[in-house]
Amino acid sequence: QVQVVQSGAEVRKPGSSVKVSCKASGGTFSYYAFSWVRQAPGQGFEWMGGIVPIYGKPSHSRKFQGRVTVTADESTSTVYMELSSLTPEDTAVYYCARGGSTLSENYYYYMDAWGKGTTVSVSS
Amino acid sequence: DIQMTQSPSTLSASVGDRVTITCRASQTVGSWLAWYQQTPGKAPKLLIHKASTLETEVPSRFSGTGSGTEFTLTINSLQPDDFATYYCQQYNIYPFTFGPGTKVDVK
Repeated sequence: QVQVVQSGAEVRKPGSSVKVSCKASGGTFSYYAFSWVRQAPGQGFEWMGGIVPIYGKPSHSRKFQGRVTVTADESTSTVYMELSSLTPEDTAVYYCARGGSTLSENYYYYMDAWGKGTTVSVSS
Repeated sequence: DIQMTQSPSTLSASVGDRVTITCRASQTVGSWLAWYQQTPGKAPKLLIHKASTLETEVPSRFSGTGSGTEFTLTINSLQPDDFATYYCQQYNIYPFTFGPGTKVDVK
């Protein structure tokens, strides 16, 4: 049974940073693709970045280049997303989602297990 | 970036109806397309990946077709739990992008 458990809601001031965690259980953590996706209030989804822990090197959307850092800790089966230089436009629900396994697929960045989301509010 | 569009943006239907949603990509994504269902206040749920592969425990009334730039999601015999918003997502080329969603509501 796959579980993706995210850290709790955060409130930040403009210009600050936030780091959200995502602990996954079930399956071989290191070989799965993990994505961070956000949804602003009443809006659709933006893929921010992702990582396959066994490969180490993350991929990030150019839109967030330089502001987002995705990392993974294989020892604790946890993935992290840090977003810096926050503005009120970054107010959103941030989701961590697990995708396919590199052991069985060549294209694996669909998302079959989602966390419940972490609300990040940015306001002065 | 690959632009994903969906039509219609809203669809009004009744229980028992057959519903079809179209997703188009601005360039080919092969078969690397997923469909998700989201209800208010909840995380999305994966229905289909690789354009037509139904996820485990997703009812067989859901089906997906297409490749390249045009895809469809069909719901046969709409059920009460199916009133939701549906999104497509391409995962062929970075950054992976989503369609704007199609809301299926009660006629």
